[in-house]
Amino acid sequence: EPEVTQTPSHQVTQMGQEVILRCVPISNHLYFYWYRQILGQKVEFLVSFYNNEISEKSEIFDDQFSVERPDGSNFTLKIRSTKLEDSAMYFCASSQGFNQPQHFGDGTRLSIL
Amino acid sequence: AQTVTQSQPEMSVQEAETVTLSCTYDTSESDYYLFWYKQPPSRQMILVIRQEAYKQQNATENRFSVNFQKAAKSFSLKISDSQLGDAAMYFCVITGTASKLTFGTGTRLQVTL
Repeated sequence: EPEVTQTPSHQVTQMGQEVILRCVPISNHLYFYWYRQILGQKVEFLVSFYNNEISEKSEIFDDQFSVERPDGSNFTLKIRSTKLEDSAMYFCASSQGFNQPQHFGDGTRLSIL
Repeated sequence: AQTVTQSQPEMSVQEAETVTLSCTYDTSESDYYLFWYKQPPSRQMILVIRQEAYKQQNATENRFSVNFQKAAKSFSLKISDSQLGDAAMYFCVITGTASKLTFGTGTRLQVTL
């Protein structure tokens, strides 16, 4: 069965550095998402992406964050000037259509030191 | 805005027994979807079951079934014949016209011998 793949599985970064989290969605999916889960807290929506543009973003997704689909397969989340509170598990998801079930990757654990 | 409440942080069930996980939600939208996702220790988020709000019939998926009470805004998950592999964190999730998922805080299910 096709899967969403995320790399790396664990990223350790110094505070203030930039980090790029990578995702390869399922190939025939058209909608892409990023979520994050701070340790011990609920999963929170960050951003959705369709037709090469952001379709919705949450309050969390401020100017520090950006997303990109640089080619036909990758979907990336960039965090500029990381802060300690950015430490979390970041999940990528994709779906075939609007309100279709979202399929999640295994997540990237981001640790900011 | 949509909210999801899971009032049971932890539940335990014996192998082969039945367990019900509770969930209530709030939404101002008339068209929405409800899901249960499972997150085992391997951390991948796996879709368990899906319910369209416009359908009166409760969704079932093998040993998993839901009790969807639209007027009460309740969406419980019943797991029959529980297996050790069912041990995981279970999230109740809602989505509406925006397609983003809103998660509950989760219920950790333990399955004992």
